[in-house]
Amino acid sequence: DAGVTQSPTHLIKTRGQQVTLRCSPKSGHDTVSWYQQALGQGPQFIFQYYEEEERQRGNFPDRFSGHQFPNYSSELNVNALLLGDSALYLCASSLRGGSYEQYFGPGTRLTVT
Amino acid sequence: GENVEQHPSTLSVQEGDSAVIKCTYSDSASNYFPWYKQELGKGPQLIIDIRSNVGEKKDQRIAVTLNKTAKHFSLHITETQPEDSAVYFCAANPKPTGGSYIPTFGRGTSLIVHP
Repeated sequence: DAGVTQSPTHLIKTRGQQVTLRCSPKSGHDTVSWYQQALGQGPQFIFQYYEEEERQRGNFPDRFSGHQFPNYSSELNVNALLLGDSALYLCASSLRGGSYEQYFGPGTRLTVT
Repeated sequence: GENVEQHPSTLSVQEGDSAVIKCTYSDSASNYFPWYKQELGKGPQLIIDIRSNVGEKKDQRIAVTLNKTAKHFSLHITETQPEDSAVYFCAANPKPTGGSYIPTFGRGTSLIVHP
C-alpha cells in the first residue's frame, strides 16, 4: 500500500518564476491538503481539495493555486515566486468526513534564488 | 482561529530518561489532538493522537494526556532511545464547519537523545 508521494524532491527556481508541485494521495484517500513549512516552523495550511474543488483555504495569497484530478492526485502552483516562498511544501491526504488522521508525504524542498 | 503554543523548543535527554513536551491551545471547540514526529528530510509522521472525550492514551513508550479545562495537552516518552531523536509537533483541530479537519500546528520541539 503506497503512502503519499510527492514530486519533485527538490527544486530551485528564480524570483518571478512559476512552479508546479505534484502529490499522489495514500490509496483509498480522496482529500488532499497542502502545507508550507518554513525552516524551524510547523506546517502552515495552504488549502484543501476534495471532489476536484478547493474546499478550505488558509491565509495565503492568490499566487498559490491548486488543482485536483479525478484520480485524487493534486498539484500546487505558485506564481511570481518570492524569496520568502522558499520552504518545504507538504502534501497530506485524508478521508473527507471520515477519520481525522492526515498522512503526510515526504515534501518538496523549494529554493527560490 | 486556533493558536497552538508548544514548549520547549529544544529538549536534550540521556538515553533511558523520560521526555515531556507540552502544548496549549486557544479554541475550546478543538476536539482532536495529534502528535507528529518529523525526522530530517521526511514529512511529519503521526505517532499518537487523542480525542477530547479521553483524558489519556498510551501506546507502548508513548503517552498523551489532555486537560480540556486548562486547554493543554502533553506528550510523554519513556525510556528514550537515540532513534527517538527528531522534531515533534503537536496540533489541535477545531471541529470542522465543512470538509476535513485542518490541524493547527505548534512550532515544534527538537528532541535530542544522547547515547
